[in-house]
Amino acid sequence: DTAVSQTPKYLVTQMGNDKSIKCEQNLGHDTMYWYKQDSKKFLKIMFSYNNKELIINETVPNRFSPKSPDKAHLNLHINSLELGDSAVYFCASSLGGGEISNQPQHFGDGTRLSIL
Amino acid sequence: GQNIDQPTEMTATEGAIVQINCTYQTSGFNGLFWYQQHAGEAPTFLSYNVLDGLEEKGRFSSFLSRSKGYSYLLLKELQMKDSASYLCAVLDSNYQLIWGAGTKLIIKP
Repeated sequence: DTAVSQTPKYLVTQMGNDKSIKCEQNLGHDTMYWYKQDSKKFLKIMFSYNNKELIINETVPNRFSPKSPDKAHLNLHINSLELGDSAVYFCASSLGGGEISNQPQHFGDGTRLSIL
Repeated sequence: GQNIDQPTEMTATEGAIVQINCTYQTSGFNGLFWYQQHAGEAPTFLSYNVLDGLEEKGRFSSFLSRSKGYSYLLLKELQMKDSASYLCAVLDSNYQLIWGAGTKLIIKP
């Protein structure tokens, strides 16, 4: 019954490694998002994606790349992990985009990434 | 630039009422959201306002004044489980959601 599920919940890895976080939603939503929440709890949008366009926050390093095999999935791949990448990463989804963006976003439980 | 301001932290007493303010300066406005986030958990949707006025939903109410760039979340009959962070987010003219840093609400017995 989980609406937005992301795996893994915890990810501990070494600097320089490449890792992926998976996200799936079963709500039939059109738009999916990736957020980074740092130690100060500020929620920062990284990407939003629907079947029409990918919007990238220009402050996100190109080591981060979203991959969407289909409308229900938006995975996050991270190359050459750095210490500053340690954070909680949230996946979210919402119905529609553009003028239907007033629909609330539903969040996954988060992936706690720790870089050693 | 786009900016959303909310107090970093507030403390209130169980059973009391608390008002969490949010002021915003964004390029356009297409609505304002409030989300609740318990420690270690995902944000969950509380309310959406696009017209001026007060929207009431049980113990929680949200108010919006577009001319003042201002909103507040009012929590009544506070319970210990209301201890959480409350995030204000504004939908700008490009329908992008701009998030505030959140207000950590601490409820004391």
